[in-house]
Amino acid sequence: NSKVIQTPRYLVKGQGQKAKMRCIPEKGHPVVFWYQQNKNNEFKFLINFQNQEVLQQIDMTEKRFSAECPSNSPCSLEIQSSEAGDSALYLCASSVNQDTQYFGPGTRLLVL
Amino acid sequence: GMPVEQNPPALSLYEGAESGLRCNFSTTMKGVQWFQQNHRGRLITLFYLAQGTKENGRLKSTFNSKERYSTLHIKDAQLEDSGTYFCAVEGTGGYKVVFGSGTRLLVSP
Repeated sequence: NSKVIQTPRYLVKGQGQKAKMRCIPEKGHPVVFWYQQNKNNEFKFLINFQNQEVLQQIDMTEKRFSAECPSNSPCSLEIQSSEAGDSALYLCASSVNQDTQYFGPGTRLLVL
Repeated sequence: GMPVEQNPPALSLYEGAESGLRCNFSTTMKGVQWFQQNHRGRLITLFYLAQGTKENGRLKSTFNSKERYSTLHIKDAQLEDSGTYFCAVEGTGGYKVVFGSGTRLLVSP
């Protein structure tokens, strides 16, 4: 039921490498969320945007993670220097006004 | 933080059976959303509720902000209902969303 697109579906990086993933929200959805789901199925909110502006982000995101949602381009989440503990499923979701969220298929990151 | 507890952690049903899942939270929440995560990891949106009850086919969800819980009821369970069901709650103080730990449902023939 979701039209959110995430690329790539799988990403393999070495420790210290940059890892970048992209998200195209559903048309007409100005709000975008990024989450990390670890191997224990636990979700962690990372950051969210309304149009191009950051609404909230957690400390982890402020330090090694960077994200943006430029106009007329896909949103992106980038890990500057990947660590083994970053291996997870990264999920992007979009919504009209912070209520119902529609998720993409995720990018599964493996850091070797 | 805003702890969100889901129970049961796991549930087995036979086709045609029905059961309820529960999501408890410790403070007043603005809204709750329920998702099913299938075996491929895809999250399928089921409901968003800011109050009251919603029903869609074999699924029904309620949200009681005052009592701090939400429920998801599945009736006439089908094999394709198998998966992990998550509730995610939105606090009143901002846009952060916190997920519960999930209920793993297995529907057997």
